[in-house]
Amino acid sequence: QKEVEQDPGPLSVPEGAIVSLNCTYSNSAFQYFMWYRQYSRKGPELLMYTYSSGNKEDGRFTAQVDKSSKYISLFIRDSQPSDSATYLCAMSESGGSNYKLTFGKGTLLTVNP
Amino acid sequence: ETGVTQSPTHLIKTRGQQVTLRCSSQSGHNTVSWYQQALGQGPQFIFQYYREEENGRGNFPPRFSGLQFPNYSSELNVNALELDDSALYLCASSFRGMDETQYFGPGTRLLVL
Repeated sequence: QKEVEQDPGPLSVPEGAIVSLNCTYSNSAFQYFMWYRQYSRKGPELLMYTYSSGNKEDGRFTAQVDKSSKYISLFIRDSQPSDSATYLCAMSESGGSNYKLTFGKGTLLTVNP
Repeated sequence: ETGVTQSPTHLIKTRGQQVTLRCSSQSGHNTVSWYQQALGQGPQFIFQYYREEENGRGNFPPRFSGLQFPNYSSELNVNALELDDSALYLCASSFRGMDETQYFGPGTRLLVL
């Protein structure tokens, strides 16, 4: 079983839709949870960063972490064509010497105008 | 403030050759991590450098090696290239002691023939 599982999609939605992206994980030591956006042929760009369980909102983006279920989500409201990209979830156990990111496979999202 | 830069952007090598990839950290950052992203996959952690020493390594063989310089720039060296080494190589910089968020460069796309 992979440490982080993410449905690769692809996911295609109309402009203005609410998008839900999800990851599950098996390592209960993960405490830091991130979502990165990666445009084609570019490096990942940090979107959201959360510590432990709970919700975090930033504009049209909301990140949710449920450590009891080992499940994290990213919601995108009022999706735009410019949101079309691959979304990667990433996790780490801690900072310091253990601070390596473990990524999901990425979900390819297309928002159609 | 300048972001993370990487060179070259693209590279073609043949099997058995050696390659060096370069990374300049974001201004003020003291930690560099390298990741390999195969096509259609999430990035995989190779290793991290802090204060010019390797500080954590993923599941990669010793032919993957690195350096960090006093100005916090970094190199990734790969010896005896194999076809499976074809991937996007990503460098990420962060500042240990603060939020430790990793910021990625645009990557170097390596093709091994």
